[in-house]
Amino acid sequence: ELKVEQNPLFLSMQEGKNYTIYCNYSTTSDRLYWYRQDPGKSLESLFVLLSNGAVKQEGRLMASLDTKARLSTLHITAAVHDLSATYFCAADSGGGADGLTFGKGTHLIIQP
Amino acid sequence: DARVTQTPRHKVTEMGQEVTMRCQPILGHNTVFWYRQTMMQGLELLAYFRNRAPLDDSGMPKDRFSAEMPDATLATLKIQPSEPRDSAVYFCASGTGQANIQYFGAGTRLSVL
Repeated sequence: ELKVEQNPLFLSMQEGKNYTIYCNYSTTSDRLYWYRQDPGKSLESLFVLLSNGAVKQEGRLMASLDTKARLSTLHITAAVHDLSATYFCAADSGGGADGLTFGKGTHLIIQP
Repeated sequence: DARVTQTPRHKVTEMGQEVTMRCQPILGHNTVFWYRQTMMQGLELLAYFRNRAPLDDSGMPKDRFSAEMPDATLATLKIQPSEPRDSAVYFCASGTGQANIQYFGAGTRLSVL
């Protein structure tokens, strides 16, 4: 059974600081996904990482994937208040099984 | 602006009643997913379809939940009879299978009293 674990689950940080969210998954997975959810809203796709060593960046967010370590990271650079949200990582089991297994989410609060 | 449309957005019902949630996937998407989100369990996959055929419903309580795709533009999730523990936000997502990117609808917030 595929398991996905994120840490930390809660993070409060100040604007301008850097931080990293970690996502570990338990079995071989072809792909790793990062989503953002604002309170009471839907999930917005941020990144899809398809291979070992993949790195993707969008603004102040950068995601990477190490399939050997079964680890993905989401790095936040010079955080701003607008990035406050809950961030989820998810993995699929591969082999054509497309349903995602999500981590518990990291609730990120960025204070001025 | 293509999006996944879910109805209703909110539903309050009494225990024992039937609940039907509907999802219109993005036009051209051939894969449709149903997820449930609760504070305790987080996001869980309930079922998904590809080209209208059910591929996996192992996450769904079989005795009371059913999922169907009557046509390519409509997916339904039914609960009969509903129970208070079914209270959650139910999300529908759709995709084309490419890189398995899934686009989520706004969700149906269900409260069973």
